[in-house]
Amino acid sequence: AQTVTQSQPEMSVQEAETVTLSCTYDTSESDYYLFWYKQPPSRQMILVIRQEAYKQQNATENRFSVNFQKAAKSFSLKISDSQLGDAAMYFCAYRSNRAGTDKLIFGTGTRLQVFP
Amino acid sequence: ETGVTQSPTHLIKTRGQQVTLRCSSQSGHNTVSWYQQALGQGPQFIFQYYREEENGRGNFPPRFSGLQFPNYSSELNVNALELDDSALYLCASSLAKRITDTQYFGPGTRLTVL
Repeated sequence: AQTVTQSQPEMSVQEAETVTLSCTYDTSESDYYLFWYKQPPSRQMILVIRQEAYKQQNATENRFSVNFQKAAKSFSLKISDSQLGDAAMYFCAYRSNRAGTDKLIFGTGTRLQVFP
Repeated sequence: ETGVTQSPTHLIKTRGQQVTLRCSSQSGHNTVSWYQQALGQGPQFIFQYYREEENGRGNFPPRFSGLQFPNYSSELNVNALELDDSALYLCASSLAKRITDTQYFGPGTRLTVL
């Protein structure tokens, strides 16, 4: 069974600085997607960025980028130029591309605080 | 805003009761998934519906059941409520079942079982 581990329950960063959130996962599959979701106090889960396992190039979305290390099964999220609105829970998630397994498997989350 | 809505926002029930939670997907989205998020945890997959048929189920007992309707709405029903059912329940809709189809989440229903 696949598992996702986020070992940092809480992180903090100063506004305009850079922070990296860690995620590791375990799978025997080779074809899958990885995601970072943001859950603000409003509770609505929002997709931040996703990475396809067969792509070696790391995904980037504006201030958000990932460091995907497939052999190490590591998938970290870097937030550059942090803003107050980035404060939220961040969840790393895994999704298999195997037919009949359409679920997202989430980690336990990292709470990010942003200080002015 | 993801265009996915859920009702009610909060709900309080007592042990043994039954509850129905509702989700309205984005128009055109044929797939809806339900997740349970206990306090301090990540969401756990309950089940998924595609074109009104159950398409996969997580490790939840049969007292958790669902329905999906042609008008892009869906329901999660929980019978014989237990204290451990207290959680945030999230629904997520997507266009189809492909891995490339982004899942859009609703704001959730907070269920408290006393």
